[in-house]
Amino acid sequence: EAGVTQSPTHLIKTRGQQATLRCSPISGHTSVYWYQQALGLGLQFLLWYDEGEERNRGNFPPRFSGRQFPNYSSELNVNALELEDSALYLCASSPDRNTEAFFGQGTRLTVV
Amino acid sequence: QKEVEQNSGPLSVPEGAIASLNCTYSDRVSQSFFWYRQYSGKSPELIMSIYSNGDKEDGRFTAQLNKASQYVSLLIRDSQPSDSATYLCAVSPYSGGGADGLTFGKGTHLIIQP
Repeated sequence: EAGVTQSPTHLIKTRGQQATLRCSPISGHTSVYWYQQALGLGLQFLLWYDEGEERNRGNFPPRFSGRQFPNYSSELNVNALELEDSALYLCASSPDRNTEAFFGQGTRLTVV
Repeated sequence: QKEVEQNSGPLSVPEGAIASLNCTYSDRVSQSFFWYRQYSGKSPELIMSIYSNGDKEDGRFTAQLNKASQYVSLLIRDSQPSDSATYLCAVSPYSGGGADGLTFGKGTHLIIQP
C-alpha cells in the first residue's frame, strides 16, 4: 500500500513568489494535515482538512492556505513568500481525526 | 502558549542498555500523547501513542504518562544502533489519535553507541 506522497521533493522560490505544495493521502484516508518544520523550531501545525473542508488551522498568517480535493488529495499554497518560510513542509493523513496519522516525506521549500 | 519541552541531547546510550526519553507539557487539558521517531532527512514515524495515565508497552518500547505531573516518557529497552534518531514528543488537546493541532517538542537526539 502506498504511503503519503508529496510533491515536489524540493522547491526553490524567490521572495515574494507563490509556492504550491501537493499531498496525496493514503488510500481510504480522508483527513489531511499540514505541518511546517523550520530549522530550530520543531514541527508546527498549519492546517487540517477533512472531507473537503478546512477544519482547523494553526497560528500562521492568511497567506498560508490550502484546499482538499474530492479525491482527498490536498494542496498547500504559500503566497508572498518570505525568507522565513524556508522549511520542510510535511503532510500527514489518517482515516479520520481519531486515528493515528502517517507522515509523508515532505517538501523542502527554500526561499531565496 | 502551549509548550512541549524536551532535552535536546544528544543522549548517548550503550547498545543493549535502556534509553529513557522525557517530555513535559504545559497545557493541562491535553488528551493525547505521541512519540515519533525521525531519522535525519526523513519524515517523522509514529512509534507510540498513549491516552491514559500509566504505562503502555509495545515490543521494546514503553510509554509512560503522568497527567498530574504533565510528564510523558519513552523507554527503549535493549537499545540498538538503529534506534539512533531524533525522538519527538507530541501532545494533542483532543482525544483520539489524529494529527489535528499537535504541539511538538523540538526533539531529543538519541545516539546508541555500539
